[in-house]
Amino acid sequence: DAKTTQPNSMESNEEEPVHLPCNHSTISGTDYIHWYRQLPSQGPEYVIHGLTSNVNNRMASLAIAEDRKSSTLILHRATLRDAAVYYCILEGAGNMLTFGGGTRLMVKP
Amino acid sequence: GAVVSQHPSRVICKSGTSVKIECRSLDFQATTMFWYRQFPKQSLMLMATSNEGSKATYEQGVEKDKFLINHASLTLSTLTVTSAHPEDSSFYICSARDPPYTYGYTFGSGTRLTVV
Repeated sequence: DAKTTQPNSMESNEEEPVHLPCNHSTISGTDYIHWYRQLPSQGPEYVIHGLTSNVNNRMASLAIAEDRKSSTLILHRATLRDAAVYYCILEGAGNMLTFGGGTRLMVKP
Repeated sequence: GAVVSQHPSRVICKSGTSVKIECRSLDFQATTMFWYRQFPKQSLMLMATSNEGSKATYEQGVEKDKFLINHASLTLSTLTVTSAHPEDSSFYICSARDPPYTYGYTFGSGTRLTVV
């Protein structure tokens, strides 16, 4: 399965935008890029996913590089409730998700 | 949106006993469900893929005789940890996806298993 690389942690100020990067240089043409976030002692929560074009939903935006070897999750205005571990995952064969280490986002008031 | 209900949320059992964890898709049918395990401060690790009406597919290193998976209906998959030992203590999470896959995967709230 193709792997993803994310920074271990990032910090943001409340009400400022946050850009969470993800590298996936070995992505294949049919792999979807998914983002999930997880709060302590909870199951992950779906944030957004896409294939080639940028995507927007009520939670976030997903910017996908033209060569698809990297992507960025954008939280437009971080709140304290956005503090979580964010996972960038490629959906490969068998439709299964293989989790990497994720990025721990800390939001400062 | 799609909801996956997982029970129990936490369980404590004695070493050597078995524990069953249920995962239900509440408002959709799931022919496939996934079971993950997460140790403290680590990421989720896929244990197995549960297929309705057929045998589960286990990831390398996961003992199929210890972690029994049953997916008898389109809305229910169960994971039974047999002869549990303290090293099986972990956070177990299931997930499924609502066709036609407009959104991503939905995860259960997880089960904290403690074996004493």
